[in-house]
Amino acid sequence: AQTVTQSQPEMSVQEAETVTLSCTYDTSENNYYLFWYKQPPSRQMILVIRQEAYKQQNATENRFSVNFQKAAKSFSLKISDSQLGDTAMYFCAFMKIGGDKLTFGTGTRLAVRP
Amino acid sequence: DTGVSQDPRHKITKRGQNVTFRCDPISEHNRLYWYRQTLGQGPEFLTYFQNEAQLEKSRLLSDRFSAERPKGSFSTLEIQRTEQGDSAMYLCASSDSGTHWVTRETQYFGPGTRLLVL
Repeated sequence: AQTVTQSQPEMSVQEAETVTLSCTYDTSENNYYLFWYKQPPSRQMILVIRQEAYKQQNATENRFSVNFQKAAKSFSLKISDSQLGDTAMYFCAFMKIGGDKLTFGTGTRLAVRP
Repeated sequence: DTGVSQDPRHKITKRGQNVTFRCDPISEHNRLYWYRQTLGQGPEFLTYFQNEAQLEKSRLLSDRFSAERPKGSFSTLEIQRTEQGDSAMYLCASSDSGTHWVTRETQYFGPGTRLLVL
């Protein structure tokens, strides 16, 4: 079974600054996906970024980038130029390749201060 | 391209009543997933379908829970004899198994149905 750990329950960042959210996972699989999802208050879960484990290059999506360390089973999310709209709960998630279920961490609540 | 939709968005019921939720996936997505999310926690997997076939069910899905996807399009999740512990957000997600290389197997979520059992 896979496990996903997010060790930072809450974080805070000043608008326009950079913040990094941590995620570690445990699996015996070799081929899998890792995701970061964002869930704003009372709103739906939105995909932020996806990483395929077989790719060495770290995924980027505009202000969002990841640091994927496969050997260390680490998958952190960096948010640059933080905006007020980034305030949300962020979930790290693991999925085996092949249409399997997502396994989520417990989330990190991020507050962006004006 | 419309996203995943769920109905109803909110449901209040009394303990012991039956409730049914509906999920409409993104068109052309052949996989559909149900998750449950309690306050302050990450979603937990309940079950998933590929087309109309239910391929996996979690231990969390007790005998009181049943899910269907009769024609491989929309899905329903029914909870019989609701208990207060069933109070949660029920999330539906869908994905495509390989048509689009960039997005394949990525799950896209609906807005959820928030259930409160009194």
